[in-house]
Amino acid sequence: GIQVEQSPPDLILQEGANSTLRCNFSDSVNNLQWFHQNPWGQLINLFYIPSGTKQNGRLSATTVATERYSLLYISSSQTTDSGVYFCAGGNSGYALNFGKGTSLLVTP
Amino acid sequence: EPEVTQTPSHQVTQMGQEVILRCVPISNHLYFYWYRQILGQKVEFLVSFYNNEISEKSEIFDDQFSVERPDGSNFTLKIRSTKLEDSAMYFCASSERVRSNQPQHFGDGTRLSIL
Repeated sequence: GIQVEQSPPDLILQEGANSTLRCNFSDSVNNLQWFHQNPWGQLINLFYIPSGTKQNGRLSATTVATERYSLLYISSSQTTDSGVYFCAGGNSGYALNFGKGTSLLVTP
Repeated sequence: EPEVTQTPSHQVTQMGQEVILRCVPISNHLYFYWYRQILGQKVEFLVSFYNNEISEKSEIFDDQFSVERPDGSNFTLKIRSTKLEDSAMYFCASSERVRSNQPQHFGDGTRLSIL
């Protein structure tokens, strides 16, 4: 299956700072999603972004499909942004392959 | 916004017992999935289901696992004889008819604890 590498594995930010999370794929994908896992374990869908750029409030994402990577930008971070961010991709139409995640802690 | 519903939110079961995890996918979705996440690890694909049959499964999805759509709304994952290592969060997901790839919508998960 597709290998998904996320970086950095851990990130500590002060409230108000900006950050960029990266996701690299071992093969081309035609389904790519970013998730935020909150402290209760829920997977919150942030973006469906197999290509191009999308923005939702303080979050935006860009996928460069030809180069097999995606970026998640968090601006003006808040303590509620803390949690684990996962990207996941697939090309079979079925399975999503997840990365190991970026664990983000935003401190006051 | 329609959502995927999973029950129960937490299940505690003795090793060796059978367990059934239940999911109600979004009503107009036709593709259904199960994933699991062992504590502290990444989310892993188990199985996808379309038109009343398995369309893809991973190596994890061995003979102790089965899936079923018993009626028009529920989608279930059965673990036949649970082991300690089955302790994990299990997520159900669904997606629309695939004309092109569509996002998968995830439920809140069932936390399964095997004692």
